[in-house]
Amino acid sequence: KQEVTQIPAALSVPEGENLVLNCSFTDSAIYNLQWFRQDPGKGLTSLLLIQSSQREQTSGRLNASLDKSSGRSTLYIAASQPGDSATYLCAVLCSSNTGKLIFGQGTTLQVKP
Amino acid sequence: EAGVTQFPSHSVIEKGQTVTLRCDPISGHDNLYWYRRVMGKEIKFLLHFVKESKQDESGMPNNRFLAERTGGTYSTLKVQPAELEDSGVYFCASSQDRGSRVGGYTFGSGTRLTVV
Repeated sequence: KQEVTQIPAALSVPEGENLVLNCSFTDSAIYNLQWFRQDPGKGLTSLLLIQSSQREQTSGRLNASLDKSSGRSTLYIAASQPGDSATYLCAVLCSSNTGKLIFGQGTTLQVKP
Repeated sequence: EAGVTQFPSHSVIEKGQTVTLRCDPISGHDNLYWYRRVMGKEIKFLLHFVKESKQDESGMPNNRFLAERTGGTYSTLKVQPAELEDSGVYFCASSQDRGSRVGGYTFGSGTRLTVV
């Protein structure tokens, strides 16, 4: 049974810092891994998606890596801004036959001005 | 394009009552998913529709939950009778494919259900 864990559960940093969010999964047989952002009272916004054959993806100040063999992914945020404050969720898709995502509990990030 | 719409945004009901949540997916999205997040836990999959058919309902917690998707358009999730442990945020998502590309899923803002 696939399980996804995210650490830390919460993180508070001063503006401008670079930071890393961690995600681990127990079964390396995944189809892809996605990072989402959730703002309070809002839905989830997809940030980055890494296919199982890829090692990393970048979008602006965000970089996500994937080490499938060790069951780990990281989300790196460069030069953090107060607008980055949100909950970040990691989710794996185990099969292309189903759209079922397995989520971690999320990391709530606060970037202080 | 319009996003995924869910209503109500909030619902407070008493234990034993019935509640129906509605989701309007993005037009043309054949795939529709229900997820929920209970307090302190991760978001968990409930079920997946392809058009009007249930593709995977392995996450439905028990037979008090009934999901339907009329004509492959909007979907409803009925909880009858509601129990205290059903409290949480219920998310709906839709997609054209099955999550193989970034942004492939569009999530609604969720319905916050409180059972008292």
